[in-house]
Amino acid sequence: GAGVSQSPRYKVAKRGQDVALRCDPISGHVSLFWYQQALGQGPEFLTYFQNEAQLDKSGLPSDRFFAERPEGSVSTLKIQRTQQEDSAVYLCASSLSNPAPQYFGPGTRLTVL
Amino acid sequence: KNQVEQSPQSLIILEGKNCTLQCNYTVSPFSNLRWYKQDTGRGPVSLTIMTFSENTKSNGRYTATLDADTKQSSLHITASQLSDSASYICVGLQSGGGADGLTFGKGTHLIIQP
Repeated sequence: GAGVSQSPRYKVAKRGQDVALRCDPISGHVSLFWYQQALGQGPEFLTYFQNEAQLDKSGLPSDRFFAERPEGSVSTLKIQRTQQEDSAVYLCASSLSNPAPQYFGPGTRLTVL
Repeated sequence: KNQVEQSPQSLIILEGKNCTLQCNYTVSPFSNLRWYKQDTGRGPVSLTIMTFSENTKSNGRYTATLDADTKQSSLHITASQLSDSASYICVGLQSGGGADGLTFGKGTHLIIQP
């Protein structure tokens, strides 16, 4: 079966642009997580969905970051007015429930110039 | 504050040799500890999950140990292969924690040379 997929794999944005990152979780996985991974660091939690409900967004660094999962499957992480410090790999993970083993996507590498 | 510290930060060994990666964790209350392998440009892939009562768990050439008293874990790789080159991330899960109950280490960057 297919794993977690993310698109685009690479995104270059000019400072101030808005970006949208997509995550397709494993079919049937209730829980979906977004992480931000800076170069040389471990992933840092951003937000968590259970089905379509965003139950935890405590890790979002600012109000420029917004995530949604309107139908409880595909999720989009949107970053408005990107800044250079937003440059990182954004990882999506899904799991059957929470807590449960999480399966990670390949990530989207965002570079803000 | 929950913390996971890994050592060494990076390691270079010759193909066929063994190596051991270390992880010290402060996660309370503790549920389990996980080792992930992250290839360059890929997301982390789970290698092992160890609970409080498990001391050793193997997955092929990977063997993880857990000492709940000293709050230390190790990942031993036997007869290394070129494909083992990756970052190895130690992750502690807080019992009863919410979605942010995972604490990630910074990882050990392992390079296997032919």
